[in-house]
Amino acid sequence: GAVVSQHPSWVICKSGTSVKIECRSLDFQATTMFWYRQFPKQSLMLMATSNEGSKATYEQGVEKDKFLINHASLTLSTLTVTSAHPEDSSFYICSARRGRGNQPQHFGDGTRLSIL
Amino acid sequence: QKEVEQNSGPLSVPEGAIASLNCTYSDRGSQSFFWYRQYSGKSPELIMFIYSNGDKEDGRFTAQLNKASQYVSLLIRDSQPSDSATYLCAVMDSNYQLIWGAGTKLIIKP
Repeated sequence: GAVVSQHPSWVICKSGTSVKIECRSLDFQATTMFWYRQFPKQSLMLMATSNEGSKATYEQGVEKDKFLINHASLTLSTLTVTSAHPEDSSFYICSARRGRGNQPQHFGDGTRLSIL
Repeated sequence: QKEVEQNSGPLSVPEGAIASLNCTYSDRGSQSFFWYRQYSGKSPELIMFIYSNGDKEDGRFTAQLNKASQYVSLLIRDSQPSDSATYLCAVMDSNYQLIWGAGTKLIIKP
């Protein structure tokens, strides 16, 4: 169990476009979902934490108006990169955690975003 | 600031040998400890988690936790070339925040 599906896996689009990424927990209810960004050869960077039915908590330096997160149900969270620019090109990865507390996070396959 | 430290490597191990990956953490109140494997260009994959002092075995993998010394390790027995990846240590601190290490790159040489 603990399968997380992320879609799309790869996006190429023009500068100024908004891009929506979906993250679904397929076989469990995810009280909390996380969004990460990873640049080539760098560490995972947590962008935000979202709990079902409440506003996301963003990490310092992450623009909440640019990276819109919605966690409308216990199995779905979305990240929308608004008015994307080339510097937003990165590998975006979601994870989901069953319940609260000390349970492990399970990751989706990631979305590779390239802004031209 | 709470930290999780890993040697960045690369750690080179001959095929069939035991690979030993180590991780130290600063928050003595940390409760849960996780090892993830990340292949190049892919997302992290959960390998093991451990909550209590001692050893936890799963197939070729053994996680070892020593809370008094604030370290957690991952042993991979009978290392295979397919084990070559970056191994990420993650520690859940006393505030239930997950702190990530930067990862150790492991290379298994045939």
